Formats: sequence, structure tokens, C-alpha cells
Amino acid sequence: GAVVSQHPSWVICKSGTSVKIECRSLDFQATTMFWYRQFPKQSLMLMATSNEGSKATYEQGVEKDKFLINHASLTLSTLTVTSAHPEDSSFYICSARPTGLGFEQYFGPGTRLTVT
Amino acid sequence: GNSVTQMEGPVTLSEEAFLTINCTYTATGYPSLFWYVQYPGEGLQLLLKATKADDKGSNKGFEATYRKETTSFHLEKGSVQVSDSAVYFCALNQAGTALIFGKGTTLSVSS
Repeated sequence: GAVVSQHPSWVICKSGTSVKIECRSLDFQATTMFWYRQFPKQSLMLMATSNEGSKATYEQGVEKDKFLINHASLTLSTLTVTSAHPEDSSFYICSARPTGLGFEQYFGPGTRLTVT
Repeated sequence: GNSVTQMEGPVTLSEEAFLTINCTYTATGYPSLFWYVQYPGEGLQLLLKATKADDKGSNKGFEATYRKETTSFHLEKGSVQVSDSAVYFCALNQAGTALIFGKGTTLSVSS
């Protein structure tokens, strides 16, 4: 149980285009999901906290107009990278916290984004 | 603010060697502590956790004890295998907030 999926697992896009990444909790409901970014050989940096039915809370330095987060249901959160640039190339990872079951989080496998 | 500091790698060991990866934290109150592992090309997996002082988390031969007096949560394994080669992340959270990760330690085990 407690499986989180991400789609796509990898994507290549051209500079200036937008890319949407989906994060789904497959066998549980998640009121809260988190989006992280991981640069090569570095740690995960929290980008934003996504709560179902409300606006996401972004960490300092993360542009909310560039990284659009939507958490429309208890099993799905999406991250849209708008007007992507090569510096947005990274590994994006989501995690989901089961509703009402403590504070454990389950991670998706990540999405590799390459902007050319 | 809260933070996690873990020893820098890479750590290179021979099979069956003893492993220690140090992790210390800074936090107000009583955080929960975690070790995650990331195998090559895969996502993060929870390895073990401890939610209060003196708790010992253990899994797959790995252990870590929550030491509040030294604010540490060092990861240990008595005999590593080649299949343990991965990146290990120490992390903490409090009251349901997002996890705060250390920078990760790469472990490479050779036969």
C-alpha cells in the first residue's frame, strides 16, 4: 500500500513551452502533497506544499507564477512548469501524506525534466 | 530554523564492512527523524524512522537511534552488501510539515 505515482517519468521540452507533471496517490487519499526539486548529486529542496482545495504555499525563492500547482482532488496534484528554460531542468519529486494518518509521507519516483 | 547536517561522501566500503553515516539536526521541540534511501534511477524510499527520543529505528539490517542529548540520528549497519550502494538522506519533520533533508551521502560498496 501507500503508492505514489508520477507522470511522466521523464520529459524533454523546448524552451518557452509549458510542462505538466502529475502526482497521484494510488491507494490512499492525501490532503497534503509536497513538491521537491533535486539537482544532480544534491539534496531535495522543498518547492511548495499543496493542500487539496486551497492555494499552494510556496517556499521562499520559488516563483509561484512559474511553477503552478493545482491540488484539485484528494488523489491528484499537478505541477506545471510554465515558459520553461534550460535552468528549470531538474528532477522533480512529489510526496503525499495520507489524510488523518499521522505525518508519514510517501514519495513518487520522480520526473526528470530536460529543457532544450 | 530546522536543519539537518550529514556527513559528506562519498563513502566507499568493501563488502561486509561496518557502516556509519553521521547525521545531526537542529530543531525546536521534538521532531521525527528519518533515513531515506535512493537507489540509482529510483525514487526515495523510507528506510527507517524514529519519532521520539531513545527510539531505535531499524530495517534491512540498518539501525539508527534518536539521541536528543547529542541531537543525532546516525545510521549504522554491521555488514554492508554491494546492493546497499545508494544515496542515503537523513531528514526530519515536525507536526506534519514537509520533510527537511540533509544533503545526502553516497555509499559505494565493492565486492
